[in-house]
Amino acid sequence: NAGVTQTPKFQVLKTGQSMTLQCAQDMNHEYMSWYRQDPGMGLRLIHYSVGAGITDQGEVPNGYNVSRSTTEDFPLRLLSAAPSQTSVYFCASKGRVRLWETQYFGPGTRLLVL
Amino acid sequence: ILNVEQSPQSLHVQEGDSTNFTCSFPSSNFYALHWYRWETAKSPEALFVMTLNGDEKKKGRISATLNTKEGYSYLYIKGSQPEDSATYLCAFKTSYDKVIFGPGTSLSVIP
Repeated sequence: NAGVTQTPKFQVLKTGQSMTLQCAQDMNHEYMSWYRQDPGMGLRLIHYSVGAGITDQGEVPNGYNVSRSTTEDFPLRLLSAAPSQTSVYFCASKGRVRLWETQYFGPGTRLLVL
Repeated sequence: ILNVEQSPQSLHVQEGDSTNFTCSFPSSNFYALHWYRWETAKSPEALFVMTLNGDEKKKGRISATLNTKEGYSYLYIKGSQPEDSATYLCAFKTSYDKVIFGPGTSLSVIP
């Protein structure tokens, strides 16, 4: 199993550009989530999904869109990038059969918005 | 707004010292409390998951306790080693499946 994969690993954007961060998992996990990591702030939840076709907002959803058309994929879209979105983005997934299951994290995407 | 706090923000200890840090979380809508270890340039990795008040978990020199009534968990490291240097994150999981992370405690173990 590849686990949780994220692409790209690094991206530079200009203010106002749009892009999609890809996340995929091959563990048949129902729950997937996106976090951003900023210095001194830990991991903040952007959006999450408890299954295909279902998404919900986390702590910091503004400026980001998600969709979950398949169990495997959970892309994160930046519609109009802003410098405040410069961050490291982590995707994570977990099963839901046992609700206390821990999350598996992807390697992260470093985004720089100029 | 769900708020998960961790203290201290950072910690420097000598090799061989024992140390502990705290995670504070809301006592309502509790479902589980997770501890993760996060080394620089890597992804967070799960250490423990605790669900019941009074739970104690142990993995080698690292252990954790949970008090859901007062909303805190302690992580202990006995005889710290340089390889324990990492950021330790706690994550609070609500009964409606939302996971909120604390800001982390950065531990540096000096040889």
